[in-house]
Amino acid sequence: DSGVTQTPKHLITATGQRVTLRCSPRSGDLSVYWYQQSLDQGLQFLIQYYNGEERAKGNILERFSAQQFPDLHSELNLSSLELGDSALYFCASSTREWGSYEQYFGPGTRLTVT
Amino acid sequence: DAKTTQPNSMESNEEEPVHLPCNHSTISGTDYIHWYRQLPSQGPEYVIHGLTSNVNNRMASLAIAEDRKSSTLILHRATLRDAAVYYCILRSFTGANSKLTFGKGITLSVRP
Repeated sequence: DSGVTQTPKHLITATGQRVTLRCSPRSGDLSVYWYQQSLDQGLQFLIQYYNGEERAKGNILERFSAQQFPDLHSELNLSSLELGDSALYFCASSTREWGSYEQYFGPGTRLTVT
Repeated sequence: DAKTTQPNSMESNEEEPVHLPCNHSTISGTDYIHWYRQLPSQGPEYVIHGLTSNVNNRMASLAIAEDRKSSTLILHRATLRDAAVYYCILRSFTGANSKLTFGKGITLSVRP
């Protein structure tokens, strides 16, 4: 158990809908990262927050957005969903803004868009 | 990001040592070598990291070539639980660059 929690575990929704994925980092970790894992693209970095502020962006679509709240939990919002958004979404946390050696990953949320 | 090259797959026998290779010929002086693994149906898990010297921890050992253009992750006694995808990742600490760039990794199968 990494100490990172993600809800829900599974999510099934229809195209065009909007969903919110939630992540609670390990106690004391200030950085949160979101990754997407799909069969064709593998594991890809989406976005990083540190202590409530966006720090780095990766291959995140404009239809996707994220935020980190004062209690340090983070939410990833996915809107106008398409079939291709079906994937595993992982959240990871680390202690520092950068230079941290370890990122601790949650169990993931499996999103299925039908 | 500098690139790593790993074989697609490897097989080993239970309780035998496993050597997982990684080539990173374009590594820069500020790149650390990290290994993560992903067990089936789980999120990635940190294994080990190093810069120049060989490293040991409770999970594995990391052997780094003198020119740093390659490295080897060593599992001293493979167990069935070690069957996973192992990712070799280069990570620079110059500036705010904390993201992990995953390649395809190497799929390790362990035979009982």
